[in-house]
Amino acid sequence: GNSVTQMEGPVTLSEEAFLTINCTYTATGYPSLFWYVQYPGEGLQLLLKATKADDKGSNKGFEATYRKETTSFHLEKGSVQVSDSAVYFCALSMYAGGTSYGKLTFGQGTILTVHP
Amino acid sequence: EAQVTQNPRYLITVTGKKLTVTCSQNMNHEYMSWYRQDPGLGLRQIYYSMNVEVTDKGDVPEGYKVSRKEKRNFPLILESPSPNQTSLYFCASSPGTGGQTQYFGPGTRLLVL
Repeated sequence: GNSVTQMEGPVTLSEEAFLTINCTYTATGYPSLFWYVQYPGEGLQLLLKATKADDKGSNKGFEATYRKETTSFHLEKGSVQVSDSAVYFCALSMYAGGTSYGKLTFGQGTILTVHP
Repeated sequence: EAQVTQNPRYLITVTGKKLTVTCSQNMNHEYMSWYRQDPGLGLRQIYYSMNVEVTDKGDVPEGYKVSRKEKRNFPLILESPSPNQTSLYFCASSPGTGGQTQYFGPGTRLLVL
C-alpha cells in the first residue's frame, strides 16, 4: 500500500534558522503530494502541494519540490519565525481512478518549535 | 465563510454510551472524510463518502459508523465507544478526489472512560 515517512522530531530551532523536514513516500502510481500544518489547538491547513514530478509548491516562505527519482517531498524554509511553531504533516493522495481513491495518507507528523 | 464545522469540540463519555460527532461543510463539496489523529501515527482515515448515500471504509473503520443523507453533513457514530477510541477526530471535505485539496474541521477531542 501507499505510505509516507517523515523525519523524526521534534525539531527545535532558533529564529531565522534554516528548516528542512524530510519526507519520502511509497506509492503505486502517480500521487499528489501535500504539506499540511497544524497550529496548536487548530485543525489542519494546507501549506503547499505539488501534483506532478518536478513541481515546486510554495507558500509563506516554505517550499517543497516533488522528486520522483528519490520519491521525496522535503519541506524547506530559509528563515523560520516563532509563529512557524506547529506540527507539520506530509501526505499523499492518488489521482481519481487510483486504488486509494481520494484518501490522504499521512506521515506521522513533525513537531517544530522555534525559539526567539 | 467557507468552512467545515464539527460538534462537539470536546467530549468525555463512558464505555458503551452511544455518541455522534457531527460534521457539516458549506462549500458544496462532494467528498467528505473522517480521520483520527493519534500520537506517533499521524492521521488515519476512518470512513469516507464520495457523494450522498455513497460511503466506504477507510483504514480504521472498526467501531465506527457514518451516514451521508445530505451533501453537507457527514456524522460519525460510535455505537458502543471503548477506551481505544480516545483520540482527536477530524472531518474533512474536498470538491472531488485525487489531487484535490482537503479542508479540515477544527477537530473533536474524545475521551472514553
